[in-house]
Formats: sequence, structure tokens, C-alpha cells
Amino acid sequence: KQEVTQIPAALSVPEGENLVLNCSFTDSAIYNLQWFRQDPGKGLTSLLLIQSSQREQTSGRLNASLDKSSGRSTLYIAASQPGDSATYLCAVSLILQGAQKLVFGQGTRLTINP
Amino acid sequence: KAGVTQTPRYLIKTRGQQVTLSCSPISGHRSVSWYQQTPGQGLQFLFEYFSETQRNKGNFPGRFSGRQFSNSRSEMNVSTLELGDSALYLCASSLVAGAYEQFFGPGTRLTVL
Repeated sequence: KQEVTQIPAALSVPEGENLVLNCSFTDSAIYNLQWFRQDPGKGLTSLLLIQSSQREQTSGRLNASLDKSSGRSTLYIAASQPGDSATYLCAVSLILQGAQKLVFGQGTRLTINP
Repeated sequence: KAGVTQTPRYLIKTRGQQVTLSCSPISGHRSVSWYQQTPGQGLQFLFEYFSETQRNKGNFPGRFSGRQFSNSRSEMNVSTLELGDSALYLCASSLVAGAYEQFFGPGTRLTVL
């Protein structure tokens, strides 16, 4: 059974710091990994998608890496801003019970303090 | 391009009632997936529809059902509501079937009293 774990569950840092969010998964046979952002009570916003053949993706101040062999992904946020405060979720796409599905981690709640 | 839309945004129902939620995917997207999000269980997959056919189903009781129309819009129905069905229900659309890049709607917050 694929399990996706995100550590830490919550993180609070001062504005301007660079930070790393972690995601680990137990089954390396994934098709892709997606990072999402969720604001309180809202839907998910897709941040980055990394295909299984890729090692990293970048978008603005965000950089996501993928190491399939070790079952790990990181989301690096540079020069954090208060507007980055949200819950960040990672999800892996894989075959489960004969069908391709997304399995989510529980998320990291990030607070950027002005 | 308009994003994924979900209606209604908020619902309050009582135990035993039934509810129907609606999702309109991004134009051109033919796959719609539904998820339930609760503080205790996180995001859990309900089902996926592609070309009006259910392709995948999560581990939810038969009270949860769905369908997709020819214009790719999808509805989800929950019958005989229970208190534990209170959750944020999220719909996601993607171009193709399977867990390709998914784009999520704002969700429907269902409260069961």
C-alpha cells in the first residue's frame, strides 16, 4: 500500500528565509509527483508537476526535486513571503488496484511571519 | 480559460437526507475526479469519470455515487447522509484519464447536522 508522508506537519519561519518541505513515499513505481497549495477552506492550487523521468521542476521562487529511488521529494521555497502561508500537499500518481490514482500526503501547514 | 467550478459552495443538510454536488471541468478536459477532505483522514479519492464512464473508485460505501454527462460535467450524489459525511468535497479535472496533472475546483463544504 502506497503511503505518502510529509514532515513536518507544521512549520513557522520568519519572512525572507529559504525553506524546504519534505515528502516521502513508500512505492517508487510512480508516474509523477505533484505539489499543491491549499489556503484555508479553499481548493487546491497546482504548483509543480514532476514526471517520473525528471529530477526537478522550477517555477519562480519554487523548486521541486524528485528522487524516485529513495522515495523522496522536496519543495524549496526561496525568499519566503507572508503570502506563502498555506498548507502544502504532495501527491503521487501510481497504479493501485489496476487503476492510476493520486495518493496525497497529509500536508505541511506553513506560516511565514512578517 | 475558466477554471474548475463547483456548485454549490456550501451546503447544510440533516442526517438521512441526500445531496447532489456539481462540478464543471476546465473546457476540453474530459476526466473528472472527486475527493473528500476531512481533518482526520485528509484527502481521499472517491471516484474518477472519463467519457461518461467511471474508471476508478475509492473505498467508499455505495451511498456515494456519481455520473458524468456528455459535456464532461459531473455530479456526485450522497444518499442517507451521516454526520461523518461532513467534509470538503473537491473535484479535479484533467485532460486525459488517469492521474495526469489535475486541476482542482474550490470545493463544496458539506455540513451534516
